[in-house]
Amino acid sequence: QSALTQPASVSGSPGQSITISCTGSSSDVGGYKYVSWYQQHPGKAPKLMIYEVSNRPSGVPDRFSGSKSANTASLTISGLQAGDEAEYYCSSYTTNTFLVFGGGTKLTVL
Amino acid sequence: EVQVVESGGGLVQPGGSLRLSCAVSGFSFSSNWMTWVRQAPGKGLEWVANIKPDGSEKYYVESVKGRFTISRDNAKNSLYLQMNSLRAEDTAMYYCATGGYSSVWWGQGTLVTVSS
Repeated sequence: QSALTQPASVSGSPGQSITISCTGSSSDVGGYKYVSWYQQHPGKAPKLMIYEVSNRPSGVPDRFSGSKSANTASLTISGLQAGDEAEYYCSSYTTNTFLVFGGGTKLTVL
Repeated sequence: EVQVVESGGGLVQPGGSLRLSCAVSGFSFSSNWMTWVRQAPGKGLEWVANIKPDGSEKYYVESVKGRFTISRDNAKNSLYLQMNSLRAEDTAMYYCATGGYSSVWWGQGTLVTVSS
């Protein structure tokens, strides 16, 4: 089962907005609403930031938003802050096995 | 407060077995899917397996099918992962997480090292 495709790295300056893409297929991202995004700081457990494409769990700032178009999901972070620097992973339900993660994107805040 | 605590990791030789446990509190364990996710050193997240609330359905990543078994004890609010025929490529931090399609609560992980 191939991982979903994410850019290896993205960067932005404080206050700016960035978008991370997550590309799959009609068997996963494109076919279902079960796309999630996780933030992981070094040495820490992942933290759920977005579920079901665009929903934020309680406590996640509204600077984080999610969307989907065809087979590509996107995570947008607006008003970048130093604390947003982390690795970000997307995941999706897949008909092949059940769940699949993206390869991860390292966000650098310049 | 929800707490998720994994245990059972350690050093094991190739071909050996290990049983991971995950204790959950402050959460409606018996009503929710549960998931195991692993992360090899310096690598990304990999979904391993998950299990339906009543244990009647289980799903696995292809690379562990036939070697790993996920199970749960709702009376003890506990999740397990029996890992047999371990390989070097199974070396990773193993995380227990609540939910099926998405996971709000995660443990801090338990490290499994497969090496001779």
